[in-house]
Amino acid sequence: GAGVSQSPRYKVAKRGQDVALRCDPISGHVSLFWYQQALGQGPEFLTYFQNEAQLDKSGLPSDRFFAERPEGSVSTLKIQRTQQEDSAVYLCASSRSAQGYNEQFFGPGTRLTVL
Amino acid sequence: AQRVTQPEKLLSVFKGAPVELKCNYSYSGSPELFWYVQYSRQRLQLLLRHISRESIKGFTADLNKGETSFHLKKPFAQEEDSAMYYCAPWKRSDSWGKFQFGAGTQVVVTP
Repeated sequence: GAGVSQSPRYKVAKRGQDVALRCDPISGHVSLFWYQQALGQGPEFLTYFQNEAQLDKSGLPSDRFFAERPEGSVSTLKIQRTQQEDSAVYLCASSRSAQGYNEQFFGPGTRLTVL
Repeated sequence: AQRVTQPEKLLSVFKGAPVELKCNYSYSGSPELFWYVQYSRQRLQLLLRHISRESIKGFTADLNKGETSFHLKKPFAQEEDSAMYYCAPWKRSDSWGKFQFGAGTQVVVTP
């Protein structure tokens, strides 16, 4: 039924706090992507899952960023010891195909503000 | 370095006028090319992909491999076309790949 959902929609964190962002992809979608979108920029690739396997994490900006998708459905993006530069909208997208380039369906995003 | 450039941050056009959004890319190989759109208060969504060669909402995009461009065009802009548009080459990597989105062009269509 529903499309990709993300929670929370908004998150305010104090610098140094850990945050966890959740993505519920469309049921049955094999591919799941996380993107970071800074103000005035296009989405930037962070990481890619094919089912439960994280095949590409080349876009994660530092080792403070960690993502998982343990059962091949819901995914969590965790940011440890948040910094002000982590403030952005975090987008999740899922795709039916294993290759992922077939139409990606995007979630509404989580807007993270680090004070 | 692989790069995608959308030179216009903002395009303001009158209703009924033609609109062209530029996209230039610098990639090794031949990426597949897409345009995504985000209307106000809505999610990012696919507008069109080069491989399907279709026209969506009156928009078309021509791939020029010589110029490495994939400009988006519409002959007669409508107010509902006001949105943010992103050019997105898809770069294959083994059995998967990823999008590299441009910075986006904000289109404002005024009556």
